[in-house]
Amino acid sequence: QVRLEQWGAGLLQPSETLSLTCQVYGRSFTGFFWSWIRQPPGKGLEWIGEINYSGSTNYNPSLKSRVSMSVDTSNNQFSLTLNSVTAADTGVYFCARTFYYHYYMDVWGNGTTVTVSS
Amino acid sequence: DIQVTQSPSSLSASVGDRVTITCRASQTITSSLNWFQQKPGKAPKLLIYAASTLQSGVPSRFSGSGSGTDFTLTISSLQPEDFATYYCQQSYSAPRTFGQGTKVDMK
Repeated sequence: QVRLEQWGAGLLQPSETLSLTCQVYGRSFTGFFWSWIRQPPGKGLEWIGEINYSGSTNYNPSLKSRVSMSVDTSNNQFSLTLNSVTAADTGVYFCARTFYYHYYMDVWGNGTTVTVSS
Repeated sequence: DIQVTQSPSSLSASVGDRVTITCRASQTITSSLNWFQQKPGKAPKLLIYAASTLQSGVPSRFSGSGSGTDFTLTISSLQPEDFATYYCQQSYSAPRTFGQGTKVDMK
């Protein structure tokens, strides 16, 4: 039974860096992609990007200049960094496990609320 | 980027109703289309992947169909726990875009 637990700073000032980590419990860390998705308050889901166990990444072009993802295979963790945040980056951030087959996301973290405000 | 257009944006239905939600992709995505259910304050839950494969543990009243550019999620008989927001997502290519969502509420 795979479980994802995520954490990170919940309140940021404009221009600061958002940093979130997702811990993977159970089963294998390798053999999957690991994704980040966000949801602004009252709005829909936005795919941020994905990373596999070897560090290969795909990012949303709308965020590509500010986003970075990394993996720590020894600790079964993966992380998201988003630079130069603004109020538009406020929302709930989710991590998720992604299968290579059709790239579907089957297990999700509970979400971390991030607020960007001065 | 592949755009995904989901409709309707909202619908009102009663318990026992048959509900249909559609998604249209801006280009062919073969069968790389997934459906999620989200309830307030919760993470999305995978219902259907690869257009028509039911995720383990999901009730059989949920079904998906379609290929190419046009896809459908059907709830055969709406249950009280099905009132939620539903999203489709294309996973054919990055960025793996979501539809705008369909909120299903009680009539």
